[in-house]
Amino acid sequence: SQQGEEDPQALSIQEGKNATMNCSYKTSINNLQWYRQNSGRGLVHLILIRSNEREKHSGRLRVTLDTSKKSSSLLITASRAADTASYFCATDSWGKLQFGAGTQVVVTP
Amino acid sequence: DVKVTQSSRYLVKRTGEKVFLECVQDMDHENMFWYRQDPGLGLRLIYFSYDVKMKEKGDIPEGYSVSREKKERFSLILESASTNQTSMYLCASRVAGSPETQYFGPGTRLLVL
Repeated sequence: SQQGEEDPQALSIQEGKNATMNCSYKTSINNLQWYRQNSGRGLVHLILIRSNEREKHSGRLRVTLDTSKKSSSLLITASRAADTASYFCATDSWGKLQFGAGTQVVVTP
Repeated sequence: DVKVTQSSRYLVKRTGEKVFLECVQDMDHENMFWYRQDPGLGLRLIYFSYDVKMKEKGDIPEGYSVSREKKERFSLILESASTNQTSMYLCASRVAGSPETQYFGPGTRLLVL
């Protein structure tokens, strides 16, 4: 069963603009992770935020976590064509990851 | 860099065939995972293994089995392939203990005719 649900399902953004996607989940978690998948390829880990953290940065990525609302957001600043991909949140409960269906992001010139 | 490889990128099989999907990782990771990915459903865990000769059912184990005879290799077996097993199959590995990220292979796109 899916634990994480991403929103929106698809996002088209102009190059240079910021892209934001959200993830909601249902049960308590140890941590939440975001992954990127380029078309037809495997997933690449982007960032991990622990349940006792509220915000984390990595380069142009900013992740927030609100455990009271059981939600997380991923912000990509100054988007580039290379950011075109699907983005998945995954909740970690005792070592097992549960993935959402993903947000498909297209960055246009 | 961690490397997770899968034996085939694309595979076409017939209904009823026995199918082996192989996954190899080169980082001495204890944990290995098999997922299938379908549009609109994200990744769903089929089986995982905490260590050699250990296996645990994931969320959708029906129709699949696994084998972990060596630490670096985790095999997914479709005993009798069916058309509803047409999917993208992704293998991942991870150092034991949480929280740790999973490292994914490139995936095998399986078509069952």
